[in-house]
Amino acid sequence: AQSVTQLGSHVSVSEGALVLLRCNYSSSVPPYLFWYVQYPNQGLQLLLKYTSAATLVKGINGFEAEFKKSETSFHLTKPSAHMSDAAEYFCAVSDQGNQGGKLIFGQGTELSVKP
Amino acid sequence: GAVVSQHPSWVICKSGTSVKIECRSLDFQATTMFWYRQFPKQSLMLMATSNEGSKATYEQGVEKDKFLINHASLTLSTLTVTSAHPEDSSFYICSASLDGRGTDTQYFGPGTRLTVL
Repeated sequence: AQSVTQLGSHVSVSEGALVLLRCNYSSSVPPYLFWYVQYPNQGLQLLLKYTSAATLVKGINGFEAEFKKSETSFHLTKPSAHMSDAAEYFCAVSDQGNQGGKLIFGQGTELSVKP
Repeated sequence: GAVVSQHPSWVICKSGTSVKIECRSLDFQATTMFWYRQFPKQSLMLMATSNEGSKATYEQGVEKDKFLINHASLTLSTLTVTSAHPEDSSFYICSASLDGRGTDTQYFGPGTRLTVL
């Protein structure tokens, strides 16, 4: 069975500082991995996804993530945090089998950005 | 492109009544739609997967008779919470994908907040 673990339910950074949100996955097959962002009382917006092409994936709003098979990780980074980045971030893994692209979500990480 | 809408955005109902939530893909045809439930400060839990014209596939522990899902067209799926009770109060989010493959992006609606009194 596939699973996703996000280390740290809450991360706080200063504006302009590096953002690092951690995600580790467990999968018996090569995974497809996603990062989504959720603002309060809204749905989820796709930041980026990895589907077995380049291991370094660039997304929207300056975010990127690197797939590291040896570490079973897919950490999300952004060089310089902006106040508007404050939100909830979810890492998710998708199956490749016959389950129609189900997403398994991590617990989420709330990012706070201090002025 | 790839916009998904939900209606209503919030609803308050009395215990024992039924509530219908609509999920629409506005600018694309969605072969597969998903329904999630999210409690405050928690992650999304998949409730069911629906494909146009066929019965929904429910996740373990989700009551089929309580959460009725209909995917009548390639742009519309509905979730009906029957005989709602306070414990059904939650944030319900739908998503839609073009063909439901693992690589396919799911586009999420803005969510519907249900409060059962």
